[in-house]
Amino acid sequence: EVQLLESGGGLVQPGGSLRLSCAGSGFTFSSYSMSWVRQAPGKGLEWVSTISVSGGSTYYADSVKGRFTISRDNYKNMLYLQMNSLRAEDTALFYCAKDRTDCTGASCYSDPWGQGTLVIVSS
Amino acid sequence: DIQMTQSPSTLSASVGDRVTITCRASQSIGIWLAWYQQKPGKAPNLLIYKASSLQSGVPSRFSGSGSGTDFTLTISSLQPDDFATYYCQQYESFRTFGQGTKVEIK
Repeated sequence: EVQLLESGGGLVQPGGSLRLSCAGSGFTFSSYSMSWVRQAPGKGLEWVSTISVSGGSTYYADSVKGRFTISRDNYKNMLYLQMNSLRAEDTALFYCAKDRTDCTGASCYSDPWGQGTLVIVSS
Repeated sequence: DIQMTQSPSTLSASVGDRVTITCRASQSIGIWLAWYQQKPGKAPNLLIYKASSLQSGVPSRFSGSGSGTDFTLTISSLQPDDFATYYCQQYESFRTFGQGTKVEIK
């Protein structure tokens, strides 16, 4: 069974940094692009970032470009999101998701998703 | 950027009803559209991909149709487990989600 387990969320002050992690199991992690999608409290879904199977290609939403960095460790089956210069509007539940193989780069869809880790940016 | 607009935002229906949710893209996306179901406190669950392909394990009462800019998700006979929020997502150019449609009990 495919499992994705996010961690690393918490309360951080505006301007601060946080690193999210996602542990993948039950599938060949190194064969799939992976993504982060977030959901602000009571709001809809927003794609954040995608990384290719090798990590050589990364894609970001304009709202996080230059502040967030996605990375992966295929030996450890881990996905990461380094978040810097955090703002109040970054407050959200961050989901890790496994991308499907019948699509390309960031132009893709995901299945399944983890249960999410909550990031709260507040002073 | 491609914008996705769902309608209605909220839908009140009864068990057994036929339910249709509409998703419109701001420009043509071909058939590159997915639908997800999300229940409170849970992660989104993939229902439909490539506009009309049913994800494995999803009940056949769910169906998707459309191409270009106009798409629909239909639930042929609403079941108690189907009360949830539904999102469309385009993946023709990066990915964008609709704002969601909440299906609630009438």
